[in-house]
Amino acid sequence: GQNIDQPTEMTATEGAIVQINCTYQTSGFNGLFWYQQHAGEAPTFLSYNVLDGLEEKGRFSSFLSRSKGYSYLLLKELQMKDSASYLCAVRDSNYQLIWGAGTKLIIKP
Amino acid sequence: ETGVTQTPRHLVMGMTNKKSLKCEQHLGHNAMYWYKQSAKKPLELMFVYNFKEQTENNSVPSRFSPECPNSSHLFLHLHTLQPEDSALYLCASSQEGEGTGGYEQYFGPGTRLTVT
Repeated sequence: GQNIDQPTEMTATEGAIVQINCTYQTSGFNGLFWYQQHAGEAPTFLSYNVLDGLEEKGRFSSFLSRSKGYSYLLLKELQMKDSASYLCAVRDSNYQLIWGAGTKLIIKP
Repeated sequence: ETGVTQTPRHLVMGMTNKKSLKCEQHLGHNAMYWYKQSAKKPLELMFVYNFKEQTENNSVPSRFSPECPNSSHLFLHLHTLQPEDSALYLCASSQEGEGTGGYEQYFGPGTRLTVT
């Protein structure tokens, strides 16, 4: 079966750096997405990786290793507004998105 | 209006009621999706419409019935629901290319459904 694994919950301190990992086992691979979802709101797109390596976008970076079935989202200079759930999703060989359950990130002052 | 809108935002219904959820996208996309989101579970894809044709129906019970009259509007008709159907129902849209990978999905704010 297809599976996306990510930690259920993480806690970090304001101003620090946090890395959220995602491992996947899917039938085929056509890209990996990270979304942010604040409580009670819609998921919003953060990043897309289809080739190995690091994609940087301001305070957020996303890394992909296709051979290891692994990605991480790196958040730097954490702010209180970064408290949210972070969803990892992989597009499989049928171009369907397979979603992880999300990682709830709690930022403490 | 911009992006993806959904109405109503909250809905409480009894098990014998019939109601409909509405989604509208203002992005010119050609694909629309219904997802169910339950607490601490992955997003569950329910239905996909691509160029107004339903292309996916992931074993969703018949008490959920989708309708896509055009590429901008999507409905989810609900009847004789069960308490376990209580969840956040999200609509999304994307621009899909024929035979190629698509791009990111844009989500609406969701409808919080409670079945009593």
